[in-house]
Amino acid sequence: GESVGLHLPTLSVQEGDNSIINCAYSNSASDYFIWYKQESGKGPQFIIDIRSNMDKRQGQRVTVLLNKTVKHLSLQIAATQPGDSAVYFCAENYSGDRGSTLGRLYFGRGTQLTVWP
Amino acid sequence: KAGVTQTPRYLIKTRGQQVTLSCSPISGHRSVSWYQQTPGQGLQFLFEYFSETQRNKGNFPGRFSGRQFSNSRSEMNVSTLELGDSALYLCASSPRNTGELFFGEGSRLTVL
Repeated sequence: GESVGLHLPTLSVQEGDNSIINCAYSNSASDYFIWYKQESGKGPQFIIDIRSNMDKRQGQRVTVLLNKTVKHLSLQIAATQPGDSAVYFCAENYSGDRGSTLGRLYFGRGTQLTVWP
Repeated sequence: KAGVTQTPRYLIKTRGQQVTLSCSPISGHRSVSWYQQTPGQGLQFLFEYFSETQRNKGNFPGRFSGRQFSNSRSEMNVSTLELGDSALYLCASSPRNTGELFFGEGSRLTVL
């Protein structure tokens, strides 16, 4: 079964607020984590990734935090915009699956983010 | 640069039939992965190909198979279709072994 899960299936925020999407994982061997965004009718889109030797990584308006002690991952979106409305997935990977290619990703169930004006 | 192209986008089959889905990766990408997406099970890994070789396989029955051609294009086949095979089948390509996968829009299969 899947080893990655989400705390909340839905999240509603007001435009301009910050959003925090959480994810829990159970495989302590996982050493690489990725966040994807999926808009309706489209395939998932890469947002940001983080390796297990880091606990924080920032991108443009997004920050990913990794807490290996409690096996928790979060995605923070600053100044959330209507265009951020989508389903957000976390995914995990471990080096046992990865060689010259990425290997298998284990996806969480996703969180539906809705941004209202 | 063209994105990942999947065909057909939509198809309807009946139980017992077989189906072939096609994926054209982004030019220059040699790695192709396939995922099944359903409301109940979410996104589940099917297989990964690199240089015409299957590198990884998910926990799906042998009815699910795939291949990759020398031009990196990939196909997946599902034989003896079951109702539970109804899903969105997503193909993703990547130029390297990172999570920066580029997904297509998927092929939505309905099995009646």
